[in-house]
Formats: sequence, C-alpha cells, structure tokens
Amino acid sequence: AQSVAQPEDQVNVAEGNPLTVKCTYSVSGNPYLFWYVQYPNRGLQFLLKYITGDNLVKGSYGFEAEFNKSQTSFHLKKPSALVSDSALYFCAVRPTGFQKLVFGTGTRLLVSP
Amino acid sequence: GAVVSQHPSWVICKSGTSVKIECRSLDFQATTMFWYRQFPKQSLMLMATSNEGSKATYEQGVEKDKFLINHASLTLSTLTVTSAHPEDSSFYICSARKVGAVQSTDTQYFGPGTRLTVL
Repeated sequence: AQSVAQPEDQVNVAEGNPLTVKCTYSVSGNPYLFWYVQYPNRGLQFLLKYITGDNLVKGSYGFEAEFNKSQTSFHLKKPSALVSDSALYFCAVRPTGFQKLVFGTGTRLLVSP
Repeated sequence: GAVVSQHPSWVICKSGTSVKIECRSLDFQATTMFWYRQFPKQSLMLMATSNEGSKATYEQGVEKDKFLINHASLTLSTLTVTSAHPEDSSFYICSARKVGAVQSTDTQYFGPGTRLTVL
C-alpha cells in the first residue's frame, strides 16, 4: 500500500535555529515528492518538489528538502527558522503513473520567539 | 503564477439544503482538478478527481450522488453538496493540476478552502 509517514505531530524550535520536519514514504517505483504548508483556515501552499536530479531541492521561503532514496525519506529543512514559519506542513507523494497525491498526516511547526 | 480560488470561503446552511462550491484556476488552464475534505487536525482526504468534460472519478466511500462534481471548463470545477447534513460540515479544499512540459513536472496548486457548516 502507498503511504506517507510524518512521525512527529509537532516540532518546536526557537527562532533562528535550524528546523527539520521529517517525512518517509512507502511507494513503489520512483515517486514524485512534495511539501506543502497550510496556515490556519487556509488552503495548502506549494513549497517544493523533487522529481529527479539533485537530491537537495530548494523551494519557497528559504525551505529545502533532501531526498534520500535508500532511506525513502524526504525531510524538510530550513537553516534559520522564523516565527512566521509556524504552520502545518504536509508531505505528499505522487506515485508513478498516478495523478493524485498521497498525503502524510501533517506536522505542526511551532517557532518560538 | 499558479493561483487557485474558491468561492465561497465559508458558508452556513440549514440541514437538507444544497450548497455549491466553486474552484477556479485563475492564471492557468486545468484539465484536472481535485476535491479534498479536511477534518480538524487531520490530513486531507481525497474525495474525487474532476476531469474537464468528463465524469468525475470518486474515491471509495464517497457518495457521488451526494457530492456532485462538474468540471465544465478548463478553469472551473464545482462541488455541490446535496441535501447537506451536519456531518457534512467540514473544510473543503480544491486543487488544480498545472500541466508541465512533461507529466513529471505537473504540480497541484490548492485553493484557500471553503468551510461548510450545516446547522
């Protein structure tokens, strides 16, 4: 079965510190991987995606993600967190040959001043 | 850009009435749109895939006669919740697939969501 795991319900980090939001997946083939962010009562905003090529993908707002095929992971990272980064983050995969996305359960990021 | 809008952003209706939610891709054409439902503090649940000019494909367990989807143009899909009941209260989010030069570069862009409350 295709699935995405975000093992942490919440991640707490102080402003200015680096942050990591974890994501692992279980999908056959070579999936396409995505990160989205959701602010309260809003839809999802696209952050970045991995299709192929360089394992380190850079996206919006200073975020980046590292694809690790052997560990089937796609962790989201940012070198220096901002209070405004506090939101709900979703990892998603699109299995090869499918249009739809499979989402993780989301990780709430809380950045304290 | 890739902007997707939804209207209305929130709606309150009485039990038994029908509610229509619109999803528009503002600056690109979308042959495929998706409708999701999100419960509080939960992930998104895909309800259906909407293809322009053809019938929607519903996920298992989603009642197609209750959640009517119409995708009449390349920039508009509508979701109608028919005979709404309190258990239909939820946050409904649409997305539109922006086609890339090759299929692998396609990305889904999401609307801001519609909060439906059925009294």
